[in-house]
Amino acid sequence: AQRVTQPEKLLSVFKGAPVELKCNYSYSGSPELFWYVQYSRQRLQLLLRHISRESIKGFTADLNKGETSFHLKKPFAQEEDSAMYYCALRALGGAQKLVFGQGTRLTINP
Amino acid sequence: DTGVSQDPRHKITKRGQNVTFRCDPISEHNRLYWYRQTLGQGPEFLTYFQNEAQLEKSRLLSDRFSAERPKGSFSTLEIQRTEQGDSAMYLCASSPKTSRSSYNEQFFGPGTRLTVL
Repeated sequence: AQRVTQPEKLLSVFKGAPVELKCNYSYSGSPELFWYVQYSRQRLQLLLRHISRESIKGFTADLNKGETSFHLKKPFAQEEDSAMYYCALRALGGAQKLVFGQGTRLTINP
Repeated sequence: DTGVSQDPRHKITKRGQNVTFRCDPISEHNRLYWYRQTLGQGPEFLTYFQNEAQLEKSRLLSDRFSAERPKGSFSTLEIQRTEQGDSAMYLCASSPKTSRSSYNEQFFGPGTRLTVL
């Protein structure tokens, strides 16, 4: 079975401080991991995926297979980063469905 | 093309009634997905189409739920004999044509919020 756990429902940091949103997964095969973001009154959108190894809006995430984690990090938080963040997993090899975590609401305080 | 659209955006119904939602994917996206999101949870996969073929169905999709994509374009999700537990946001997503095992980004619609009284 595939499972994604985001242990923090709420996370609040000050502007300019580092941010880390935690994501742990459970899957016996090879996973593909994603971070999706939903800004206020906007639709869910892809932020980044581990295969791309990109930095998007200053965010990075590294897949750690040993710890089965895919934490999202940003060195200096900005107010516009306030949003709902979802970690998601897809099983490599054909399955198309995404398995999402419960989400973390990130609030950046001025 | 402004992205995935869903209609209606909100639906309030009484328990026992049938409801139908529509999703229009981005043009030429051959994959279409339905998810359900309840309060405080992430989206949960319901079903997935490639063109008009329904290729995956979640165990969440009980006999009261049916989804169609008759011409490989728009899709409908029908819930029969609604229950209060069906109250949720129903999300549709689409992704472009690609090889079977590779992945392309899923683009989400705004969702249909269902309230069952």
